[in-house]
Amino acid sequence: QKEVEQNSGPLSVPEGAIASLNCTYSDRVSQSFFWYRQYSGKSPELIMSIYSNGDKEDGRFTAQLNKASQYVSLLIRDSQPSDSATYLCAAHFAGKSTFGDGTTLTVKP
Amino acid sequence: EAGVVQSPRYKIIEKKQPVAFWCNPISGHNTLYWYRQNLGQGPELLIRYENEEAVDDSQLPKDRFSAERLKGVDSTLKIQPAELGDSAVYLCASSPGTSGEVGETQYFGPGTRLLVL
Repeated sequence: QKEVEQNSGPLSVPEGAIASLNCTYSDRVSQSFFWYRQYSGKSPELIMSIYSNGDKEDGRFTAQLNKASQYVSLLIRDSQPSDSATYLCAAHFAGKSTFGDGTTLTVKP
Repeated sequence: EAGVVQSPRYKIIEKKQPVAFWCNPISGHNTLYWYRQNLGQGPELLIRYENEEAVDDSQLPKDRFSAERLKGVDSTLKIQPAELGDSAVYLCASSPGTSGEVGETQYFGPGTRLLVL
């Protein structure tokens, strides 16, 4: 079992819909969590980080963290075709990030 | 502000040949990471530096891989000899290195795409 699990997808949503991406982690000592977006052939770029239980909003993106359930999610509102990419979840502790294998999102016009 | 710089961007070599990758982190970033990313998978940490010290190299295949970060700035990752299974994208990332949200955020370079024939 991987330390960070994500549904590989593909997840397909129509333009304007809400995309929901989920991530679970097995290491309870993980303290912070990051969502990265990776376009095909490109390197990961940070979308959001979250450290505390609850929700954190940034524009069209909302990250949710539940440490008791060891669960992190990313909601993308008003999805756009430009959001089509692979989304990587990372759990961070003591200077080290462990990545999931990503969920591929396709937003259809 | 310049981002993380990596070179070369692409490399094609025959198996058993050596290869080296270079990374220059964002200015002032103390922590430098080397990752390997296989197709369809997330990045896997190979080695992490705090300044010039390798603080986590547990996933580095030391029989063929080596790395250095002289003077705590740029870094080189070497593979000798390369094997077919080393074909992957090698990503370098850096972070400020302090604790907390700002310090732990990693910024990735464009990566080096390696193909071993």
